[in-house]
Amino acid sequence: GEDVEQSLFLSVREGDSSVINCTYTDSSSTYLYWYKQEPGAGLQLLTYIFSNMDMKQDQRLTVLLNKKDKHLSLRIADTQTGDSAIYFCAESPLGAGGTSYGKLTFGQGTILTVHP
Amino acid sequence: DVKVTQSSRYLVKRTGEKVFLECVQDMDHENMFWYRQDPGLGLRLIYFSYDVKMKEKGDIPEGYSVSREKKERFSLILESASTNQTSMYLCASRQTGYTDTQYFGPGTRLTVL
Repeated sequence: GEDVEQSLFLSVREGDSSVINCTYTDSSSTYLYWYKQEPGAGLQLLTYIFSNMDMKQDQRLTVLLNKKDKHLSLRIADTQTGDSAIYFCAESPLGAGGTSYGKLTFGQGTILTVHP
Repeated sequence: DVKVTQSSRYLVKRTGEKVFLECVQDMDHENMFWYRQDPGLGLRLIYFSYDVKMKEKGDIPEGYSVSREKKERFSLILESASTNQTSMYLCASRQTGYTDTQYFGPGTRLTVL
């Protein structure tokens, strides 16, 4: 079945690195995603990684993918108070017949709190 | 820029009322989605539509229906609202192509009394 798990809370000090972890179960996903939700807002795509990659770097963000262990992580370098938000990982599993219509399965979300 | 709008940010309804939540996207996307978001449960898919007049049940369709008469508009209907449908409702549309990226509206926080 499809299941995506994340820890619910992470608290860091401003300037430190944050690492948010995620495990997923469906190995058919072509892409895996990280979305960010700021208070009172919808979700915005932060970054994604193709399933045949093991790392992707985008400015302060580093995504690591361990496909064998089905483990995804998001590292935020030099975390700022503006990074305080809920972070969701998501997979896009293929359904029967090899189609997904772009459906995503989301984790529970990790609430990141950054202290000055 | 892709824009996904939802008709209301906050809505308060009474038990038993029929509730309509509207979502409009301006990028000619074929696929649209309705999720509900509850603390500790993440986002759960209620229904999605892969084309006009086409719809598929998601993971938690009970108590909901949807309508897609035009490509840009996807409506979520609560036939008879109940208190356990108090939640944040998020609409999304999908950019077809190689990444399956979904673009989200700002959400509607529905309270059913």
